[in-house]
Parts: sequence; structure tokens; C-alpha cells
Amino acid sequence: EIVLTQSPGTLSLSPGERATLSCRASQSVSSSYLAWYQQKPGQAPRLLIYGASSRATGIPDRFSGSGSGTDFTLTISRLEPEDFAVYYCQQYGSSVTFGGGTKVEIK
Amino acid sequence: EVQLVQSGAEVKKPGESLKISCKGSGYSFTSYWIGWVRQMPGKGLEWMGIIYPGDSDTRYSPSFQGQVTISADKSISTAYLQWSSLKASDTAMYYCARLSGYDYSWFDPWGQGTLVTVSS
Repeated sequence: EIVLTQSPGTLSLSPGERATLSCRASQSVSSSYLAWYQQKPGQAPRLLIYGASSRATGIPDRFSGSGSGTDFTLTISRLEPEDFAVYYCQQYGSSVTFGGGTKVEIK
Repeated sequence: EVQLVQSGAEVKKPGESLKISCKGSGYSFTSYWIGWVRQMPGKGLEWMGIIYPGDSDTRYSPSFQGQVTISADKSISTAYLQWSSLKASDTAMYYCARLSGYDYSWFDPWGQGTLVTVSS
């Protein structure tokens, strides 16, 4: 099973700042089969990124994904108030696993 | 609009059985895999398993194999997650979500979630 480790556990930033979230896999994720989700309190997760770098429909371009192999990154270029949430990565190259999540909180 | 609507919250006692549902609309239900994801209180997401309603092909996460049963009734565009004997540790929010078109892929969209509480 591919284990995904997300870091940091919590990111404290101010609106307008840049957020960089990391997702590291225990083995290579084939064909960059990696997705990112946003989850706000009391809501279901929402797909942001699939295929490591493709934005889902309706996702603002301040969200971008990058990486390959074992190291992937989600970048939020300028944090908006509605972006403070928990973010999860998920790999689907070998079955399915989720990372433990990164909470982006207001500093 | 593609939509998944889940059944309502449940409160059960240990040892009881339960079946929760997820109804799809706005797309060809038999052409896309549906997955189930558990989220325990204050914790992260855990993949439980997936089903292809077209032929009921089912895959389970090793962590959940034998613990739950996933099924589907394509005649009413509904997938199910079932327990035969609940434990307190099954207390969690359960989400269904559609996969993109392959057996293992990303999840989009998601249902609103079903909260299951197991307590004596």
C-alpha cells in the first residue's frame, strides 16, 4: 500500500499569503495519479486537482498542483478567506489511499 | 447536474445491523464506479471500497474487507454500505463519491455524508 505523508500538519498564514502544501508518497505514484481535495468544517470534501496538476471544473486558478514520482505540491498563490480549510491528497495509481491532511488556518 | 444524495443520520446500538444508501442522478449510474469513504470524528479520510453498478464488481480496501458490504441496485441508481454487527468504533461520517470513470481514480462529486453513531 502506498502511504501518503502530508506536511506540515498545520499551516498558519494570513489572507493574501502564499500557501505551499506537501504530499510525499512512500513509493512512486504511477503516471502522476494524484488528486487534491479541500474540506471545510461540516462539508464533504471537494475535488481541486487531479492528475497532479489539472484543475477540476470551477476551481480558481490560484490553486495549482505540481510534482511527480514521490513528491507532490499544492500551491495556493494568494489565500482568500474561503481557502482556510483542511486539504487532503489522494493517490490512485495503486488502489487508493489518502494522506492525513494539512490544515490551513488563519494566522 | 451530477448529484449523489445520501440517506439520513443513524443512531444504532452495538451489535445492530445497518444499511445506508447513496442515490445518483444526472448521469448514467451504471457507467461510473461509486466509492465509500470513512471519516472518523476529527480524523482524516479513509477509502473503504468501490463498486461498479453496471455489473456489481466490487473492490475493498484491505482495512475494510470482511467488515462491511458494498452493493448497488442499478434499477434505482442507488449504492449501499452495510454492516451486519455494528461496533462503537464504526461511529463516523460516511461519504459516497463517484469515481471519474476508471476503477481507481479521483472522487468527484461527493455525497453530503451520512453520520452513523453507534452507542449503547
